[in-house]
Amino acid sequence: NAGVTQTPKFRILKIGQSMTLQCTQDMNHNYMYWYRQDPGMGLKLIYYSVGAGITDKGEVPNGYNVSRSTTEDFPLRLELAAPSQTSVYFCASSYQFREHRNTEAFFGQGTRLTVV
Amino acid sequence: AQSVAQPEDQVNVAEGNPLTVKCTYSVSGNPYLFWYVQYPNRGLQFLLKYITGDNLVKGSYGFEAEFNKSQTSFHLKKPSALVSDSALYFCAVREFTDRGSTLGRLYFGRGTQLTVWP
Repeated sequence: NAGVTQTPKFRILKIGQSMTLQCTQDMNHNYMYWYRQDPGMGLKLIYYSVGAGITDKGEVPNGYNVSRSTTEDFPLRLELAAPSQTSVYFCASSYQFREHRNTEAFFGQGTRLTVV
Repeated sequence: AQSVAQPEDQVNVAEGNPLTVKCTYSVSGNPYLFWYVQYPNRGLQFLLKYITGDNLVKGSYGFEAEFNKSQTSFHLKKPSALVSDSALYFCAVREFTDRGSTLGRLYFGRGTQLTVWP
């Protein structure tokens, strides 16, 4: 059981370049999330999705875009990379329905992105 | 509005001693609380969560957490620390948009670095 898989693990981008961080889960979870982790700042929510075709902004969405065409995949797109986007990015998923609202989220191993 | 505070950036304890990692929260409705652990260069791993009615929650690797409604706290504890417990610990709270909704985002504290020395 792979869980939540993120690719790539590491990436260096030049300012202005674009890239897509891939995230896939094999647990048939309906909710998926993208977080960024900066030292001493905890995790900040970038975007989330409650199901295929439905996405919404989190706390820090500027400079990012997402799509959710399937239950399994939730890619994060950076269009014009900036140094402020240097961070570690985590994808997560959870299964939430009315009788199971308080389920834990499962996290991928992260993508370390540096923008120079 | 919701928030989670972890007042200590670092906690240092000797192996074999009890440990406590502190967390306080602020939510407008019922609290849905979690603890996660992060080892170096890894993603977050779920440790335990608060279940309504159980003030002492037991989780993975011998950890437990004590929920205190009057103090709005959810401190993580372990009776006897191990060197292998050294990691970054996050407290999180989920807030739902309304009583019947399943739409609940997780909000994380800033993390507490636990170091257990031999």
